Amino acid sequence: EAQVTQNPRYLITVTGKKLTVTCSQNMNHEYMSWYRQDPGLGLRQIYYSMNVEVTDKGDVPEGYKVSRKEKRNFPLILESPSPNQTSLYFCASRGLADLQETQYFGPGTRLLVL
Amino acid sequence: AQSVTQLGSHVSVSEGALVLLRCNYSSSVPPYLFWYVQYPNQGLQLLLKYTTGATLVKGINGFEAEFKKSETSFHLTKPSAHMSDAAEYFCAVSDARTNFGNEKLTFGTGTRLTIIP
Repeated sequence: EAQVTQNPRYLITVTGKKLTVTCSQNMNHEYMSWYRQDPGLGLRQIYYSMNVEVTDKGDVPEGYKVSRKEKRNFPLILESPSPNQTSLYFCASRGLADLQETQYFGPGTRLLVL
Repeated sequence: AQSVTQLGSHVSVSEGALVLLRCNYSSSVPPYLFWYVQYPNQGLQLLLKYTTGATLVKGINGFEAEFKKSETSFHLTKPSAHMSDAAEYFCAVSDARTNFGNEKLTFGTGTRLTIIP
């Protein structure tokens, strides 16, 4: 089954404690992205990746890092989380399947930074 | 720079009535335009997208949207609302100069659609 998985789904942490949210897709998609969703603000793109070792900033990259060492994985790293990074995070991937473009979002990771 | 404005953060329609969700965009370059749906506690699903060609785009679940360049609009419609359409809908824009956009998507703030039985 084609899917994007994220772990953990829920996380409570404290300010300054480094954390990583993993994202993995099983569709061999080239494009992957991270978004955060906040009430009244919709989704804002944090980082995206066009392929392995190719990443670029979205609209709100401050306080986040990403890496794309393998095609299937695109982890989101918060080196020193702060309360304003409390949010719902979504990973997404996009690519071709049977000559049709497909896009999938993960189920979301709800993060609370105390 | 690109931006998206969705008029009406909440829209209620009766079951069987027309659904109209408004989206206006601002873009200095040719846009690609998208509508996504988010059901409670789920990720987003692509409903439809406009890239090039026909300006009336049909998507899943009976939804369609029309790209009107002169009005910088991409409103989403469905002739007859169903209870299962209750969800949050997001309009998004990206830069058309780089194929399916360059993956830098800018979203609107969303419209929550409620269906009245």
